[in-house]
Amino acid sequence: DTAVSQTPKYLVTQMGNDKSIKCEQNLGHDTMYWYKQDSKKFLKIMFSYNNKELIINETVPNRFSPKSPDKAHLNLHINSLELGDSAVYFCAPSLLGGGGTDTQYFGPGTRLTVL
Amino acid sequence: SQQGEEDPQALSIQEGENATMNCSYKTSINNLQWYRQNSGRGLVHLILIRSNEREKHSGRLRVTLDTSKKSSSLLITASRAADTASYFCATVSSGTYKYIFGTGTRLKVLA
Repeated sequence: DTAVSQTPKYLVTQMGNDKSIKCEQNLGHDTMYWYKQDSKKFLKIMFSYNNKELIINETVPNRFSPKSPDKAHLNLHINSLELGDSAVYFCAPSLLGGGGTDTQYFGPGTRLTVL
Repeated sequence: SQQGEEDPQALSIQEGENATMNCSYKTSINNLQWYRQNSGRGLVHLILIRSNEREKHSGRLRVTLDTSKKSSSLLITASRAADTASYFCATVSSGTYKYIFGTGTRLKVLA
């Protein structure tokens, strides 16, 4: 069984559309993160949820809305997509929320291309 | 920017040689971690070193940490073609849950 899965793997869409990326983990970890990796491979944290509660919210446009229906799922919904949203998005569950000696388990990523 | 910095940005070596990459960061940390990313894949955790540790080994990996200089290095010994990947350091600042990743080193090991 795959520990962390993301769907879709590739997403090509037009500017202005609304899209969602789904993440599911079977590790039982309490905390999940979303990262954006741009074309230069810079990896930046976007959000973090702990037990369905938002604990980190970086300066991300409010067009991005994470939703965590339960501990196993953290979905990312993006409204009114813009060209600059093109990137690879990773979810990463973490056991202790990052403050201790835990590590992150990255999903395979979703490559979003906005035309 | 809080982004950590790594150098070199790119490194090309022959199989069997050692590869060293360095990471510098800006804040006080709980721990520092190294990750590998193969092309088109997610990051995979390699090794974690706590802020009170100076050196750690795992197989062919050796990590050092100098908190006074806010820097770390990753040494891969006897490199193999399969080690070709991008390597990132990540720090977790004291009192936060936030991971800050370095800019990455692209390693290419030639067979």
